[in-house]
Amino acid sequence: AQTVTQSQPEMSVQEAETVTLSCTYDTSENNYYLFWYKQPPSRQMILVIRQEAYKQQNATENRFSVNFQKAAKSFSLKISDSQLGDTAMYFCAFNNAGNMLTFGGGTRLMVKP
Amino acid sequence: DGGITQSPKYLFRKEGQNVTLSCEQNLNHDAMYWYRQDPGQGLRLIYYSQIVNDFQKGDIAEGYSVSREKKESFPLTVTSAQKNPTAFYLCASTPGGFLNTEAFFGQGTRLTVV
Repeated sequence: AQTVTQSQPEMSVQEAETVTLSCTYDTSENNYYLFWYKQPPSRQMILVIRQEAYKQQNATENRFSVNFQKAAKSFSLKISDSQLGDTAMYFCAFNNAGNMLTFGGGTRLMVKP
Repeated sequence: DGGITQSPKYLFRKEGQNVTLSCEQNLNHDAMYWYRQDPGQGLRLIYYSQIVNDFQKGDIAEGYSVSREKKESFPLTVTSAQKNPTAFYLCASTPGGFLNTEAFFGQGTRLTVV
């Protein structure tokens, strides 16, 4: 079975600074997808970024980028130029070819003005 | 526009009653999921279904039941056997296969036992 671990229950960052959220996972499979989702106070889940395991290049989406280390089974999210609207819960998630979607426990991020 | 619709948004249940949460998607997705989220916590998988007429238990299936009679629908019943049902429930779907496996989520149902 797959497991996803987020070791930082809470983090804070000053507005305009950079923060990195950690995620590790455990799987015996070679082909899979990894995701970061944002859950603001509205509770709506919003996809932030996606990484295909077969791609060596790290995914980027504007101020969001990942550091994907397949051998280490690590998938961290970097948020640059943090904004107040980035305040939310962030979930790392794993999906394999069998469509078993697994989430980490989440990291609560607070962006301070 | 395609998406996932959960209803109702808020639900109140008396102790000992069964209640059913609705989840409908028009994305033509094969796989559907139900998650439970407690305050300040992550998402725990209750049940998932990869195809019509088939479903598997997740990590916390006790006290819950599901059906998947149609591709578009995956209702969750919270039975009286679930001792602590007050929580936020999220339904999700993925396309299936190995193409574009981003999950789409409904807006959730907050269930409260009164």
